[in-house]
Amino acid sequence: RKEVEQDPGPFNVPEGATVAFNCTYSNSASQSFFWYRQDCRKEPKLLMSVYSSGNEDGRFTAQLNRASQYISLLIRDSKLSDSATYLCVVTPKNTGGFKTIFGAGTRLFVKA
Amino acid sequence: EAGVAQSPRYKIIEKRQSVAFWCNPISGHATLYWYQQILGQGPKLLIQFQNNGVVDDSQLPKDRFSAERLKGVDSTLKIQPAKLEDSAVYLCASSLGMGNSGNTIYFGEGSWLTVV
Repeated sequence: RKEVEQDPGPFNVPEGATVAFNCTYSNSASQSFFWYRQDCRKEPKLLMSVYSSGNEDGRFTAQLNRASQYISLLIRDSKLSDSATYLCVVTPKNTGGFKTIFGAGTRLFVKA
Repeated sequence: EAGVAQSPRYKIIEKRQSVAFWCNPISGHATLYWYQQILGQGPKLLIQFQNNGVVDDSQLPKDRFSAERLKGVDSTLKIQPAKLEDSAVYLCASSLGMGNSGNTIYFGEGSWLTVV
């Protein structure tokens, strides 16, 4: 089983739609969780952190479920500019400190 | 504030040749990462430094890849000899610290390697 797993998609949605992605992780000792966004041929950039109590930033909502070991990202009122790959990031603790593991990403295409 | 700087941006080499990539992290960032991203996949951590010490290099193919961060600032990643499957984007990144705090990772634009 991969340490971090995401549905690769692609998700094709019309503008204004609500779309949700899940990401599962295998290491129960994982400490920190993030969603990054990567545009085509660009570097990944932090979208938002995922806190135990959840996190909302405008149209984006991130949730953490430690019992089931997954995090989610909800995008409301999708815009054309939301088209990108969304990377789930998990930071489990290892013996040397903390390592950061990226999922393979979920591709989103928002169409007019 | 200056971001993570990488060079060269693009490199085409023949298999069995060698190549080196350079990275200058954001000033003050103690943690430096090298990731390999193959088209259609997520970034795979090759090596993680905390200052000039290696935290994790479990996925670095040590028979051909090497990396160093001698003074705890700049870093170089070398591949020798290159194979066709090394064609990828090599992303350097840095963060203020490790663990729960200061763990936002900032990426450079990447070094695009094509091995022919």
